[in-house]
Amino acid sequence: QSALTQPPSASGSPGQSVTISCTGTSSDVGRYNYVSWYQQHPGKAPKLMIYEVSQRPSGVPDRFSGSKSGNTASLTVSGLQADDEADYYCSSYAGSNNHYVFGTGTKVTVL
Amino acid sequence: QLQLQESGSGLVKPSQTLSLTCTVSGGSIRTGLYSWTWIRLPPGKGLEWIGCVYQSGNTYYNPSLKSRVTISVDRPNNQFSLNLSTVTAADTAVYYCARGNGNNRDYFDYWGQGTLVSVSS
Repeated sequence: QSALTQPPSASGSPGQSVTISCTGTSSDVGRYNYVSWYQQHPGKAPKLMIYEVSQRPSGVPDRFSGSKSGNTASLTVSGLQADDEADYYCSSYAGSNNHYVFGTGTKVTVL
Repeated sequence: QLQLQESGSGLVKPSQTLSLTCTVSGGSIRTGLYSWTWIRLPPGKGLEWIGCVYQSGNTYYNPSLKSRVTISVDRPNNQFSLNLSTVTAADTAVYYCARGNGNNRDYFDYWGQGTLVSVSS
């Protein structure tokens, strides 16, 4: 099972929006609406930002939104803030054999 | 507030077995349909799901690691553990324990801080 493909980097100025893609296959992202997104600051544990494609856990700002089309899921961060600078990973359920696959990770830089 | 904390050896010799324990506090490992999960982050790479155990004792493993992984649950001590045998340098990573939430279609909502395990002679 291959990792989901994310762009290595993305950037935006404060207040702007940035969208990160997460491309899988018809066996994971394309088949299931169980895509989640995680934010990780250096040296810290990952933090859940989005689950089930577009659901936000309590406490996550509505500046973070998720969507999916076909085999590609996306995370959009609107109104960029300095603290949004972090690594972001997607994850997808991949069936009863492979279970879960993560993305390659995207480093978001706030210019 | 649920908290998870990894513990175990930070340095393992090649061909030996990596052993880590995750202690859960602020909630019982016995309740709910959660999976208790191990995930790792190798240097310069992305996250990798290793496997999980349910409070029933049922386990599921990443096919690429299945032959070397054992995950078990210790209900009285509210802990679960990871054993990874015959390690190589490729197993060097930060290892995280996490709670899977989603009734077998999980997202990971609570994480430990992670522990760095280096494989070196």
